[in-house]
Amino acid sequence: QTLVTQEPSFSVSPGGTVTLTCGLSSGSVSTTHYATWYQQTPGQPPHSLIYNTNTRPSGVPDRFSGSILGSKAALTITGAQLDDESDYLCVLYLGSGIWKFGGGTKLTV
Amino acid sequence: EVQLLESGGVLVQPGESLRLSCAASGFDFSKYAMNWVRRAPGKGLEWVSGISSSGGTTYYAETMKGRFIMSRDNSKTTVYLEMNSLRVDDTAFYFCVKLTTGGPRGYFDSWGQGTLVTVSS
Repeated sequence: QTLVTQEPSFSVSPGGTVTLTCGLSSGSVSTTHYATWYQQTPGQPPHSLIYNTNTRPSGVPDRFSGSILGSKAALTITGAQLDDESDYLCVLYLGSGIWKFGGGTKLTV
Repeated sequence: EVQLLESGGVLVQPGESLRLSCAASGFDFSKYAMNWVRRAPGKGLEWVSGISSSGGTTYYAETMKGRFIMSRDNSKTTVYLEMNSLRVDDTAFYFCVKLTTGGPRGYFDSWGQGTLVTVSS
């Protein structure tokens, strides 16, 4: 069964830049996987940051950006703020209507 | 404002069946695909199933295929998840989630608060 992989944890200094990745246990992530990134805080529904690999929903600051880096989808946070300390979740479209969530990355700022 | 209100979660025994409902409001329901996503205790989110805007096509995660049936009634703006042969590892909060398109691609933009299904003897 295909798994979606994320770093379990990551740390960044305030004002710094961090790139989180989202990969597949077999194969490479491409734009056809329509990678979506969410920020999740306990007790709240996931908040969309990036969809379709690199598109920000309205209202999301431009310091959040998405891309494909090598064989993985990537979320880059530029100028990290204390408020960015959270869990970051990616989800990939595997085709035929099937979606798969990654395990999430706990980001410490 | 989009609202998704799940109901139907209860304590059941292994092997039993259960039907969850999700009442939607605040958007043109018949134009959007809907999904169920779950979170088991201490684990991450897991996509369970999806249904196209018309209800004509359904999609399931491999472990739910053959046991779960998703449906919708556009006249009642409600989606359902019928769960059969429930197992202990189906214990989870089940969330109703709206997709941004009629299906199957897009992204999940609105989530309900969830309903708890507990499977235990």
